[in-house]
Parts: sequence; structure tokens; C-alpha cells
Amino acid sequence: AQSVTQPDIHITVSEGASLELRCNYSYGATPYLFWYVQSPGQGLQLLLKYFSGDTLVQGIKGFEAEFKRSQSSFNLRKPSVHWSDAAEYFCAVGAGGGSQGNLIFGKGTKLSVKP
Amino acid sequence: GAVVSQHPSWVICKSGTSVKIECRSLDFQATTMFWYRQFPKQSLMLMATSNEGSKATYEQGVEKDKFLINHASLTLSTLTVTSAHPEDSSFYICSARDLEAAPYEQYFGPGTRLTVT
Repeated sequence: AQSVTQPDIHITVSEGASLELRCNYSYGATPYLFWYVQSPGQGLQLLLKYFSGDTLVQGIKGFEAEFKRSQSSFNLRKPSVHWSDAAEYFCAVGAGGGSQGNLIFGKGTKLSVKP
Repeated sequence: GAVVSQHPSWVICKSGTSVKIECRSLDFQATTMFWYRQFPKQSLMLMATSNEGSKATYEQGVEKDKFLINHASLTLSTLTVTSAHPEDSSFYICSARDLEAAPYEQYFGPGTRLTVT
């Protein structure tokens, strides 16, 4: 069965520092991978997604993620964090098949940003 | 584009009463809608998947008689929590996808905070 692991529950970085959030997935075939961000009391906003092709994908708000099949990872990165990036980040993998497939989410990583 | 709204954004109800949450796709036709539940500091857990005009498919462990889902049109799905109890207090999030969406891609609503007293 598909699963997603986000090893870090909470990460704190200083504003302007670089960021990497880890995500590992378990899936037999080529996965469909997503990163979402959730601000407190809000829904989820899609940051980026990977389906195929270039393993380095660019997203909104200056985020990027790299798909590494050998490591079953899809880590999210940002070169310089802004205070407004403080939020909860969820990695997800597409499950099931066809157009009605749902998403399986990791437990999330809370990002705090120090001034 | 691809905006999903939820109403209400928060609701407080008394134990034993029922509450209805609406999920609307504002600028596209949602052939499939999903309902998630999120406990504090937890991930999203899929409750059910609904397709317009057909019965919802519930995930294992979700009581279909307690969480009634109706997807009567291509722009509206409702979740009714019947005979609510304090343990039903949670953050409920809906999402939707249309026929033209990329595989597995969903558009999420802003969520509804339910508190049962």
C-alpha cells in the first residue's frame, strides 16, 4: 500500500536561511507526488507536483522539490525562507488508479521561522 | 480559477443535533469531491469520495450513517454530521476535481471548524 513519511514533525529555521523538508514515499510504480502548504485554520494550497520528466520541479513562492527514485524521496527546498513561510507542510502521493484516485498525506511538518 | 468554497467556516452545535457543511466548486464542474477530517496537529484523513449523482464511497472505519454525504450537482456536495457528539469536533476539509484535472490533482476548500458542545 502507498504511504508517505515526513520524518520531521517540527522544524525551526532563521529567516533568510535555507530550508529542506523531507518526504519519503512507498509506492510500487512511478508515483504522483505533491507538496501542499496549510496556514493555521486554512485549507491546503498546492506548492508543486511531480508526475514525470525533469526530477527537479519548481513551484510557487520560490519552492522546489527533487524526486529521487533511488531514495524514494521528494524533498522540498527553498533557498531563503521568509517569515510568511511559517505554516504546516504536507507531502502527498496519489493512491489508487484512474481519474478518481485520492491522495495519501504524510503527517506534516510544521515550519517555524525565527526573525 | 479552480476555487472551492466551504460554508460555514466554523460552527458550534450542541450534542445530539445535526449540522450540514456545504462544499462548492465556484468556477468548474466537480465530477468528484472528497471529504477529509483533520484532528489538531494531525494529517488529513480521507473520509469519503463522492461522484455526482451516485452514492459516496466511504473509507474503512467511517460511519456512513453518521456522516451523510450528498453530491447532488456538479458544483455542490454536502456533509451532514448527524447526532453530533463532542468527539466529532474536528476540522473538515473538502476537495474537488474535474475531468480536466491532472491525475490525482485536487482543489481544496478552506475547511470548516466544527465544535460540538
